[in-house]
Amino acid sequence: GAVVSQHPSRVICKSGTSVKIECRSLDFQATTMFWYRQFPKQSLMLMATSNEGSKATYEQGVEKDKFLINHASLTLSTLTVTSAHPEDSSFYICSAAGTSGGYEQYFGPGTRLTVT
Amino acid sequence: AQKITQTQPGMFVQEKEAVTLDCTYDTSDPSYGLFWYKQPSSGEMIFLIYQGSYDQQNATEGRYSLNFQKARKSANLVISASQLGDSAMYFCAMRELLTGDYKLSFGAGTTVTVRA
Repeated sequence: GAVVSQHPSRVICKSGTSVKIECRSLDFQATTMFWYRQFPKQSLMLMATSNEGSKATYEQGVEKDKFLINHASLTLSTLTVTSAHPEDSSFYICSAAGTSGGYEQYFGPGTRLTVT
Repeated sequence: AQKITQTQPGMFVQEKEAVTLDCTYDTSDPSYGLFWYKQPSSGEMIFLIYQGSYDQQNATEGRYSLNFQKARKSANLVISASQLGDSAMYFCAMRELLTGDYKLSFGAGTTVTVRA
């Protein structure tokens, strides 16, 4: 299947700093990418839908100024957690849907963020 | 309203036995797709199996089969001949195809523990 990478896989940052997480589709073009947040033993919560070349669509309750999403190319989307706080500590997962119209989403391996 | 319901938070299964994970869904969209994903402790989301709403036959992929009962709106996953490596969290998900936005709605997940 298609490959999606995320970088970094783990990050620890201090409260008040910003952290950028990259999501790349390695062998296909992704017109749409999704960002999820997952707390331990819980389901994936969709944060936003990112379409190449346009503004992201955020789910209700997700602060767009806190979680900045950029999808500048068909292979790269970034999530920046601004002014991070300990409650932002979580597992962040991206997924990508290709341009071929197929049904599947391809998931990245996830990024574990710890804010101290 | 909850689109995907997984009522089993956790299950234990003996190695080499079969296990059925329940999933019910709610949609008014006549065209939809149902997915099962496996998430081991490493966090990666592994695609297991897909069932389209118009598929006449139940989907099968190796040891995984999907018991699709459209009238009951259920899409249970059956794992046959369980292996220790099957211990993971399993998520049922749905994509409503007429909206065309590739969004997946996830259930709460079921943690499966395979015993030797």
